[in-house]
Amino acid sequence: EDQVTQSPEALRLQEGESSSLNCSYTVSGLRGLFWYRQDPGKGPEFLFTLYSAGEEKEKERLKATLTKKESFLHITAPKPEDSATYLCAVQAFGHNFNKFYFGSGTKLNVKP
Amino acid sequence: NAGVTQTPKFRILKIGQSMTLQCTQDMNHNYMYWYRQDPGMGLKLIYYSVGAGITDKGEVPNGYNVSRSTTEDFPLRLELAAPSQTSVYFCASSPRRGANPNTEAFFGQGTRLTVV
Repeated sequence: EDQVTQSPEALRLQEGESSSLNCSYTVSGLRGLFWYRQDPGKGPEFLFTLYSAGEEKEKERLKATLTKKESFLHITAPKPEDSATYLCAVQAFGHNFNKFYFGSGTKLNVKP
Repeated sequence: NAGVTQTPKFRILKIGQSMTLQCTQDMNHNYMYWYRQDPGMGLKLIYYSVGAGITDKGEVPNGYNVSRSTTEDFPLRLELAAPSQTSVYFCASSPRRGANPNTEAFFGQGTRLTVV
C-alpha cells in the first residue's frame, strides 16, 4: 500500500540551530515527491518537487534531497519565521490522475 | 492571479443541516481536489475531478457530494451534517500531467467547519 510517513511529529529548534525533517515513502513507482509549508489557519504552500533519487533543490534556508526511500528537508540556520508545519506528499505512477499521498507533517517551532 | 479561492472561511452548522463549500480556480487546471484535514492528521482526499463533468470518490467520500460543471468551479456539498464532519476543508487544483512535468497542487486557504 502506498504511504508516506514524516518524522519527527514536532521539532523545536533555537534560532540558528540547523536540523533535518524526514519523509519516508512506499509507493509502487514514484512520479514525484512534493514539500509544502503550512502556516496556522492557511492552506499548504508549495515549496519543492523532486523527481528522481539524487536530486536536490534549495530555497533560501531550505534544501530538499531525495533517495529511493526517503526525502529530507534540511533547514540551515533557521529563523523564527521558518516556524510552520511542513508537509510531504508523493505521486505514484499508475493512477489516472495526479493523486497525492500526504504525510501527517512535522510541526517546526524556531525560538529566537 | 487569485489562484484557488474558497468560501466561506468559517461556518458553524447544526446537525442535520446542509451546505455547499465553494471553490474556484483561475489557473485553467484540469484537476481539482477536495481534502479534509483533522488536527494532527494528514490531508484526506474526499473527492477529485479530472475535468468538467468528471468526478470520482477519494478516500473519505461518505456524507459528501461534488459536481464539476465548469473547469473553474468545484463545489463540495454536505448533506445532513454530522459532528464527524467538523474539520478544515481544503480545495486544490493541479495541471494535467502532460508535456509540462510540473504537477504540484495549489491550495485554497481553507474552510473551517464546525458541526454542533
